[in-house]
Amino acid sequence: EAQVTQNPRYLITVTGKKLTVTCSQNMNHEYMSWYRQDPGLGLRQIYYSMNVEVTDKGDVPEGYKVSRKEKRNFPLILESPSPNQTSLYFCASSDVSGNTEAFFGQGTRLTVV
Amino acid sequence: ILNVEQSPQSLHVQEGDSTNFTCSFPSSNFYALHWYRWETAKSPEALFVMTLNGDEKKKGRISATLNTKEGYSYLYIKGSQPEDSATYLCAFDAGGTSYGKLTFGQGTILTVHP
Repeated sequence: EAQVTQNPRYLITVTGKKLTVTCSQNMNHEYMSWYRQDPGLGLRQIYYSMNVEVTDKGDVPEGYKVSRKEKRNFPLILESPSPNQTSLYFCASSDVSGNTEAFFGQGTRLTVV
Repeated sequence: ILNVEQSPQSLHVQEGDSTNFTCSFPSSNFYALHWYRWETAKSPEALFVMTLNGDEKKKGRISATLNTKEGYSYLYIKGSQPEDSATYLCAFDAGGTSYGKLTFGQGTILTVHP
């Protein structure tokens, strides 16, 4: 089954404690991205990757890091989380062409206290 | 940052009503326009990806049209059912050096009352 898998689904953490949200896809997609969803703001892109070892900033990259060492995995790293990073996070993947649909993971609800 | 607007923000209809909502996007540098359906506690799922001016797509009772020259797309739902209740998102892909990068609207929250 084609899918994008994110872990964990829910996470409560404290300010400053490094965390990683994993994302893995089994569709051999080149393009992967991370979004955060906040009320009234829609989905905003944090980082994206066009292929292995190729990553770039999206619209709201501050406070986040990513890596793309393998095609299937695209982890999101918060080195020093802060309360304003409390949000719902989605990972997505698609063919690089852009006129094909994006497949989304199940979402990660992060709370930073 | 590109400006993608959806209207209305929310909509309440009765079962059986037909409804439509709008997505506005920049009319220059168009590559693709996506529509997604996002149910509570689930992940967004693609409805349509539209690339050509004048495109019309249909999936069951849901259809969409695209006007790239004036920068808008309409999503129509015919004979709404309670299971159509969801947030409907559109996403714009400007192509070029940023192709594949989707800029989302804020979404239209549809509630269909039995």
